[in-house]
Amino acid sequence: SQTIHQWPATLVQPVGSPLSLECTVEGTSNPNLYWYRQAAGRGLQLLFYSVGIGQISSEVPQNLSASRPQDRQFILSSKKLLLSDSGFYLCAWSVPGGPLHFGNGTRLTVT
Amino acid sequence: AQSVAQPEDQVNVAEGNPLTVKCTYSVSGNPYLFWYVQYPNRGLQFLLKYITGDNLVKGSYGFEAEFNKSQTSFHLKKPSALVSDSALYFCAVRDMGNTPLVFGKGTRLSVIA
Repeated sequence: SQTIHQWPATLVQPVGSPLSLECTVEGTSNPNLYWYRQAAGRGLQLLFYSVGIGQISSEVPQNLSASRPQDRQFILSSKKLLLSDSGFYLCAWSVPGGPLHFGNGTRLTVT
Repeated sequence: AQSVAQPEDQVNVAEGNPLTVKCTYSVSGNPYLFWYVQYPNRGLQFLLKYITGDNLVKGSYGFEAEFNKSQTSFHLKKPSALVSDSALYFCAVRDMGNTPLVFGKGTRLSVIA
């Protein structure tokens, strides 16, 4: 069966520090991969999605970037965190046309 | 572009009563529709989907949803609510291409014993 791993679960970082969140999927090949951010426990904002290695689509301009160095690995990064980057970050995967399957999320607090 | 509206921020229902969480959508073609549930500090869990076929879709934990094309709605329902159903519920839509899901803002369901 397919599983998705996302880490760390929580992270506290100072303003101006770098960020790297990692997500890996097991049990499937060539999945679509996604990074979402959820603010204040409500709506989801799509940040990036990828339909293949090296193919990254950015939905909103921001202080973040994403990379997909391997088929089932998706990384969210920042060179310098801002206070506004605080939030709950969710990684997800899907097959084309199928439902999204989410990781357990990373709660990022920028201080 | 596709969009989803969940008109209620909060729905309160007594345990044992039926519940409805509303969702309306807008897409350029035929929709793929989904419902997800989120418990505190967790990722979203898939409940059910509508792609084609019967307008009444059955999903996990006794939930079902009714697709209504003329009203562009996809309301989530359950005949008898449980306290453990209390959570945040999201409706989502995509068109028939390989485009990302668009989520509604979420509706917080509170089931009171």
